[in-house]
Amino acid sequence: DIQMTQSPSALSASVGDRVTITCRASQTINTYLNWYQQKPGKAPELLIYVASTLQSGVPSRFSGSGSGTDFTLTISSLQPEDFATYYCQQNYNTPLTFGGGTKVEI
Amino acid sequence: EVQLLESGGGLVQPGGSLRLSCAASGFTFSSYGMHWVRQAPGEGLEWVSGVVGGGGNSYYADSVKGRFTISRDDSKNTLYLQMSSLRVDDTAIYYCAKGRGITGTPSRTLDFWGQGTLVTVSS
Repeated sequence: DIQMTQSPSALSASVGDRVTITCRASQTINTYLNWYQQKPGKAPELLIYVASTLQSGVPSRFSGSGSGTDFTLTISSLQPEDFATYYCQQNYNTPLTFGGGTKVEI
Repeated sequence: EVQLLESGGGLVQPGGSLRLSCAASGFTFSSYGMHWVRQAPGEGLEWVSGVVGGGGNSYYADSVKGRFTISRDDSKNTLYLQMSSLRVDDTAIYYCAKGRGITGTPSRTLDFWGQGTLVTVSS
């Protein structure tokens, strides 16, 4: 199975900050990497797929990059509604695997 | 508008069985892969099972293989998860999620999720 490791597991930031979350795969997954946002008590929502493609309706302050084993999610200017937990997920093969999550606290 | 509505969760004793359903609307159900993902209380996301569109192959996490069975009824736009030999560590919110495509890597990107149904396994 492909292991996904996210860092940090939590971070505290202020409105307007630039935030970066990293995700590392245990083997190469090309660009088969997705990012999800989950707010408390809600279902996850797809933010970015194929490492860097923004899902429809997602604000442009979110961006993704990377290929192979190392990936990054960046929020260019943190907004109050971005308080959430973020997960990476590889869709290179099954079993699908998620990172442990990064909790972003404002 | 894509909608996924899970049902069938509840309290069950260890060793018991439960069947979850996910009623889908707003898209051509048969043309997309579908998945179940769970989240134990206070924990992260764990993929449970998936099935490709068109009634093709299905896949399972090792933790549920041999105990859970995923199926779909394209005539009813409904996804199912039959769970048996339930254990305490199966306690979680179970989410139904839609893939972006019918098969292959797009089908394994989860672009819409239901609100989940809670399964509690306890004596």
